[in-house]
Amino acid sequence: DQQVKQNSPSLSVQEGRISILNCDYTNSMFDYFLWYKKYPAEGPTFLISISSIKDKNEDGRFTVFLNKSAKHLSLHIVPSQPGDSAVYFCLFSAGGTSYGKLTFGQGTILTVHP
Amino acid sequence: EAGVAQSPRYKIIEKRQSVAFWCNPISGHATLYWYQQILGQGPKLLIQFQNNGVVDDSQLPKDRFSAERLKGVDSTLKIQPAKLEDSAVYLCASSRTGRLNEKLFFGSGTQLSVL
Repeated sequence: DQQVKQNSPSLSVQEGRISILNCDYTNSMFDYFLWYKKYPAEGPTFLISISSIKDKNEDGRFTVFLNKSAKHLSLHIVPSQPGDSAVYFCLFSAGGTSYGKLTFGQGTILTVHP
Repeated sequence: EAGVAQSPRYKIIEKRQSVAFWCNPISGHATLYWYQQILGQGPKLLIQFQNNGVVDDSQLPKDRFSAERLKGVDSTLKIQPAKLEDSAVYLCASSRTGRLNEKLFFGSGTQLSVL
């Protein structure tokens, strides 16, 4: 039962352009959403999060959008930089206040070309 | 601030052998997690500790996997005996109290290959 799907295994973008990463989910109990990024040989690191009471959250070049009716989560990076090249995971939490029930997406490999 | 430390970085074993991984979370972090990431998939929670107590081990294959956090600080994850499908990266993570409004910090992981 795949509750979360990151449809694009990889994404290639030119430096300065917008990167858009997407996740779809089926579990309507998810109420907290996060994005983590992972560089090779390192653990995932926190990027940005959003709760279900919001539809948008910004932090510098990173914006997360939540469309609850469509059960769709997206991450926009503007402008994209070569240092953004990494694997990006969407994470979903259901009905709790702790991280224990996190469901990860499969990951999208973002490559930003100079 | 030191991050989450994991060792070894890589491990290659034959099936039916035993293996152990070690994790030292960030100092003062009460909550510790072990995740399994199989190639091409997102990490899956194996077990969650709060101090030295188990909060959730519902997805831990208890016939072969065990984990402990005896003094509420560092933790070990053991597989005995290993199977081919256990080949994965094992990630340890910690947070101060486990609540969602705090960041979850991951170690670099241990890459296990079972031959």
